[in-house]
Amino acid sequence: DTGVSQDPRHKITKRGQNVTFRCDPISEHNRLYWYRQTLGQGPEFLTYFQNEAQLEKSRLLSDRFSAERPKGSFSTLEIQRTEQGDSAMYLCASSLGGSSREQFFGPGTRLTVL
Amino acid sequence: AQSVTQLGSHVSVSEGALVLLRCNYSSSVPPYLFWYVQYPNQGLQLLLKYTSAATLVKGINGFEAEFKKSETSFHLTKPSAHMSDAAEYFCAVSDGDTNAGKSTFGDGTTLTVKP
Repeated sequence: DTGVSQDPRHKITKRGQNVTFRCDPISEHNRLYWYRQTLGQGPEFLTYFQNEAQLEKSRLLSDRFSAERPKGSFSTLEIQRTEQGDSAMYLCASSLGGSSREQFFGPGTRLTVL
Repeated sequence: AQSVTQLGSHVSVSEGALVLLRCNYSSSVPPYLFWYVQYPNQGLQLLLKYTSAATLVKGINGFEAEFKKSETSFHLTKPSAHMSDAAEYFCAVSDGDTNAGKSTFGDGTTLTVKP
């Protein structure tokens, strides 16, 4: 399978715990995006990387959120001190960048904070 | 700044009937526009995209959309609905001014297909 993969698919945690999600983009794609989707809403942009550089962060990305893409390949999204409001689907997407605007989405990680 | 409005959070059609899902956008620069489909607990799958070429765009599964600049619309249609089309559909616009490529999505339209 050469699509975007995300791990885990589901995560249940208690409030206050830290969680980390992983995204593996399509191998030749240099852009990687994180989105958050809550029930009944469309995905909302969180942050994106061009290779290993994090070039933009949404105001939705509070100080408890951090994302990395250390070698320009896979990316991780960490949420510290989780809150119930963090419960959502976290989607990762990748693209070739440049003039291509087409993003390929992974299956998402569904986070439930109890 | 860019935004998307999807008119109608729920649309119900009979199998074999025309599907029309509405999308209006706002963008300060020529937009790139997309329609995605999402099945329960899955990611988004691209149906079609408009990237300033032909205004009538054909996508997968028999869907098509027409870009109308004067109406700032990009409505999605399919002549004959199939039961397998039941899903949530998202319209999105991609920014062209910063070249970031990030997308702004509408809130989605849930399509129900009745037998």
